[in-house]
Amino acid sequence: DTAVSQTPKYLVTQMGNDKSIKCEQNLGHDTMYWYKQDSKKFLKIMFSYNNKELIINETVPNRFSPKSPDKAHLNLHINSLELGDSAVYFCASQRMSGANVLTFGAGSRLTVL
Amino acid sequence: AQSVTQLDSQVPVFEEAPVELRCNYSSSVSVYLFWYVQYPNQGLQLLLKYLSGSTLVKGINGFEAEFNKSQTSFHLRKPSVHISDTAEYFCAVGADTGGFKTIFGAGTRLFVKA
Repeated sequence: DTAVSQTPKYLVTQMGNDKSIKCEQNLGHDTMYWYKQDSKKFLKIMFSYNNKELIINETVPNRFSPKSPDKAHLNLHINSLELGDSAVYFCASQRMSGANVLTFGAGSRLTVL
Repeated sequence: AQSVTQLDSQVPVFEEAPVELRCNYSSSVSVYLFWYVQYPNQGLQLLLKYLSGSTLVKGINGFEAEFNKSQTSFHLRKPSVHISDTAEYFCAVGADTGGFKTIFGAGTRLFVKA
């Protein structure tokens, strides 16, 4: 049973399209995140949700809209895709007590042509 | 605000040799410190963490790290590496500043040669 699962694993699309990435965690964690990893492996936090409430919203274009229907799910919708959006997007979850360790999904590689 | 600097972008090393991956951090508040590993085409996995207490922390796969408050460092070490340790290693700091945020360093690519 995968703890944090993301779909799709790969996504290839044209500039200007709209796409979504879904994330689900079965760990019972309170908080979920989206991170973006660029081609140089740099990881940047984008958003975090705690029990469906947006907690962290970094400087991200408003073409990116996260949605959390419940605390086990966090989706990322991207409008009007641009070439610079090409990256690997990682979902992660965390229990907000104790060690605050992140559990990551396997990533969703988005390629914008 | 917190920041993390990994001093080496790539570290090539021969199998069975010791290795140290360097990490410095800065923060105006108390932080948690982590090392994560990323194998090719996978997500990140926790290697070890420092929250408080003993400054020498042991993790999985024979790795350990030492927290040095005066030098604001958290270097990762392994006495004898294997080919299978080839991966990207990330140092990270976490703090609660109106929402818990984990900030990652730029990563160090460890390449173990036979």
